[in-house]
Amino acid sequence: DTEVTQTPKHLVMGMTNKKSLKCEQHMGHRAMYWYKQKAKKPPELMFVYSYEKLSINESVPSRFSPECPNSSLLNLHLHALQPEDSALYLCASSQVVGVGQPQHFGDGTRLSIL
Amino acid sequence: RKEVEQDPGPFNVPEGATVAFNCTYSNSASQSFFWYRQDCRKEPKLLMSVYSSGNEDGRFTAQLNRASQYISLLIRDSKLSDSATYLCVVFTSGTYKYIFGTGTRLKVLA
Repeated sequence: DTEVTQTPKHLVMGMTNKKSLKCEQHMGHRAMYWYKQKAKKPPELMFVYSYEKLSINESVPSRFSPECPNSSLLNLHLHALQPEDSALYLCASSQVVGVGQPQHFGDGTRLSIL
Repeated sequence: RKEVEQDPGPFNVPEGATVAFNCTYSNSASQSFFWYRQDCRKEPKLLMSVYSSGNEDGRFTAQLNRASQYISLLIRDSKLSDSATYLCVVFTSGTYKYIFGTGTRLKVLA
């Protein structure tokens, strides 16, 4: 069982919809991440939050908007997505961003844009 | 050159075989190294961290060669359930990023 919980597991949305992905961990981790993964490719980093502050944004389009309301929660707000945004969205956490700190992944949200 | 490179495979091996994967990294300042396995349509799961002196967990052995800038994963007595994609991950404190390799696909055949 994963200790990082993501909801929903699957999401189908139109290009004009607004939706949010949610991620929760109760391991006391202070670093949380969003990744995007396309089929047969490795995960691509989107955002990093460290101590609830955005520390890395990998030039992600503004139609993706992250939010970290507290140390246990991480959201990804979606608006006006494109078909090429269809992918598996993975949340991960680690104790901190640092040497020797492995990431732990949630089981992802599979997103399809119509 | 990619920051972290892996042979994509697939490696097709019979049950009981020993198989090894390598992962090379380009940034000599990289400090932490991990192996993950990912099953089809599932999330990456941490297999093991890689320590400087090498480390073993059951049938799995990981090693780090800093001079040649690669890490390796050895799987002994392969099981059907070992079939998955194995991803190496490298962390560099200068960039504060975890960089994934492209993954190596392993198929263990009955």
